[in-house]
Amino acid sequence: DAGVIQSPRHEVTEMGQEVTLRCKPISGHNSLFWYRQTMMRGLELLIYFNNNVPIDDSGMPEDRFSAKMPNASFSTLKIQPSEPRDSAVYFCASSLDRGLNEQYFGPGTRLTVT
Amino acid sequence: DAKTTQPTSMDCAEGRAANLPCNHSTISGNEYVYWYRQIHSQGPQYIIHGLKNNETNEMASLIITEDRKSSTLILPHATLRDTAVYYCIVRAQGGSEKLVFGKGTKLTVNP
Repeated sequence: DAGVIQSPRHEVTEMGQEVTLRCKPISGHNSLFWYRQTMMRGLELLIYFNNNVPIDDSGMPEDRFSAKMPNASFSTLKIQPSEPRDSAVYFCASSLDRGLNEQYFGPGTRLTVT
Repeated sequence: DAKTTQPTSMDCAEGRAANLPCNHSTISGNEYVYWYRQIHSQGPQYIIHGLKNNETNEMASLIITEDRKSSTLILPHATLRDTAVYYCIVRAQGGSEKLVFGKGTKLTVNP
C-alpha cells in the first residue's frame, strides 16, 4: 500500500496566487482529514470528510480556504488568494471509517507564500 | 475532548526504555487515550491507543492508571530513530473523529 499521497511536496508561490493542494487517501478509507502545522499554532485540523461529505469545517480559517472531495480517492484544498500567513505544512490523513480507527498521515505539502 | 498535559521534552539513552507520561485528569469514561508521534519533517504516525487496560503492540506499551487520570507510553528499547515529538490525545467513542494535538513531548534519544 502506498499510503496517503500528497502533491506537490513543496510549493512556493507569490501572495495573491491560487494554490491547490492534492491528496489521495488510502484505498478503502472512508474518512479524510486536512491539517495545517505551523510553529506558532502547532498541528490543527482544518476540515474532515466522511464518505466524501464534509463533516466538520470549523477549522477552516476563512473564506479563502476551500476543500472538496469529488470522489473517494481524491481531495483538494484550495487557497485563493494566498497570503504569507498561509505558509505552513499541510497534511492530509485518512482513516478506515468513523469511530476510533487510527488516522494515517501523508508526508505533507510545505507551502511558502512570499 | 479532555485536555492532556505532557512534559515539554525528555531525553533517553539509546537501548534504554523511554517512559513518556501524560496527564488527563478530566478524562471521561468513554474517552480513549491515543498516542501519535511525529518524526522531524514527516507526518504524524499512530502508535497505540487504549481505554483502561494496558495495551502492547510492536511499537510500544501503554500503561493506564486505574483511575485513568494518567498514562505512560513505554518504548522498551529506544533507538535513535525514535527521536520525535510524542502526542498524547484523548478522544471519545462515538464522538468527533477530530484529533486535537497539543504541544507533545520532544523525546531525544542519545547515543
